[in-house]
Amino acid sequence: DVVLTQTPSTLSATIGQSVSISCRSSQSLLDSAGNTYLYWYLQRPGQSPQLLIYLVSNLGSGVPNRFSGSGSGTDFTLKISGVEAEDLGVYYCMQATHAPNTFGAGTKLELK
Amino acid sequence: EVQLVESGGGLVQPGRSLKLSCVASGFTFSNYGMNWIRQAPGKGLEWVAYISSGSSYIYYAETVKGRFTISRDNAKNTLYLQMTSLRSEDTALYYCASDYPGIPFAYWGQGTLVTVSS
Repeated sequence: DVVLTQTPSTLSATIGQSVSISCRSSQSLLDSAGNTYLYWYLQRPGQSPQLLIYLVSNLGSGVPNRFSGSGSGTDFTLKISGVEAEDLGVYYCMQATHAPNTFGAGTKLELK
Repeated sequence: EVQLVESGGGLVQPGRSLKLSCVASGFTFSNYGMNWIRQAPGKGLEWVAYISSGSSYIYYAETVKGRFTISRDNAKNTLYLQMTSLRSEDTALYYCASDYPGIPFAYWGQGTLVTVSS
C-alpha cells in the first residue's frame, strides 16, 4: 500500500499566521493518464472529516480561498494563508491513485 | 443538502457479528459509489470497503476481507456493512462516505461507534 507521510504531526499557530503542511508519498501519485489523485480533508474536534481540496489544488465546495494545495509526483503541500479559529483540527491527506485509498497519519493544527 | 446517517453500532463480544446501516438523503443515492471508513479511538482514518453505484464493484481492505460484507439497497437509499468474527482491533467509529465524480469520500456521516470487548 502507498504510505503518505505528513509533517509536522502537530502545528501550533496564532490567528492570522500562514502555515503549511507537507504530505510525501512512498510512490508517485501521477497515473498513466496524467492525473494525480491527491486530496486533503479537515476533521474539526468532535466532527466527521470534510473535504477541503481535491485533485491536488481544487477547492471543495464552500471552502475558503485561504486554503490552497500544490505539489506533484510524491510531494504535496496544503497552505493556509491566515489561520482562523475555525481552521483548528486534524488535517489528513489521502491518495486514490493506487488501490487501496490510503490516508496520511494527520497533522493537528492547534492555537499557540 | 446531503445527509448520511449511520446506525447499528454498539458493544459486541469478540467473535460476534454486527450490521451497520447508513441512510442517505439529499442526493440520488443510486448514482454514486459508497464507502465505509473507520477511525479507532484517538487514531487516524482507515478505508474499510467500497461498493459501486450498481453493486458491480466491491473492494475491501485486507484487514477486513473475508469478515466484512458491504451491500446496498438503492430502493431504500441505504448502505450496509455486515461485520462478522469481530476482533478488538475492529473497535472504531465507522463512517459512511459517498463518492462524487473525481472525489472519493466527498460527503461523510457522523459515524456510529463499534466497541468489541468481552
